[in-house]
Amino acid sequence: GAVVSQHPSWVICKSGTSVKIECRSLDFQATTMFWYRQFPKQSLMLMATSNEGSKATYEQGVEKDKFLINHASLTLSTLTVTSAHPEDSSFYICSATLAGSPLHFGNGTRLTVT
Amino acid sequence: AQSVAQPEDQVNVAEGNPLTVKCTYSVSGNPYLFWYVQYPNRGLQFLLKYITGDNLVKGSYGFEAEFNKSQTSFHLKKPSALVSDSALYFCAVRDELSNDYKLSFGAGTTVTVRA
Repeated sequence: GAVVSQHPSWVICKSGTSVKIECRSLDFQATTMFWYRQFPKQSLMLMATSNEGSKATYEQGVEKDKFLINHASLTLSTLTVTSAHPEDSSFYICSATLAGSPLHFGNGTRLTVT
Repeated sequence: AQSVAQPEDQVNVAEGNPLTVKCTYSVSGNPYLFWYVQYPNRGLQFLLKYITGDNLVKGSYGFEAEFNKSQTSFHLKKPSALVSDSALYFCAVRDELSNDYKLSFGAGTTVTVRA
């Protein structure tokens, strides 16, 4: 089945630094990737939609300069949390789809900003 | 517009008993419906989907779901629950009229299966 790899699985960083999270589709080419944020025991909040070779589309209220998304190839999208602060601490999850197939999710990245 | 509701925050059942997790949806066109399961500190795992065809859909790990158009529901069921089924379950919907592949997720239902 389709596999999406997300890396790192957890990261701790100091306030003010930037963190990059990678999302790779391992055995299929993902036309679209999505980035979500999830708070404890809550649903997924869609942050942005990423299409290969074009700018990401951000959901209302998500700062695009804060959360930089790059989708340089059909198998890789990255989310960079710039100048991270403690309130950015969360669980970030990516998902990928090929032309509307069921979304396949990465295992998530637990970000802790100290 | 598309949305989905999971009316129960928690479902508790004894091992071996039937498990049902409820989901209702709202779409403008026809729905594409999905169930996912999430274990602690992990991403979501796909369980099953309904696109068209038979109303009863069978998925992974013995789960099934029944699409009911008149009640706009897509309840997840398992005839005999296992302790290992304890997890967070999400129902999701996409309107067939949507062209952006975005899913709308429910708030999630925490399932606890006691031994």
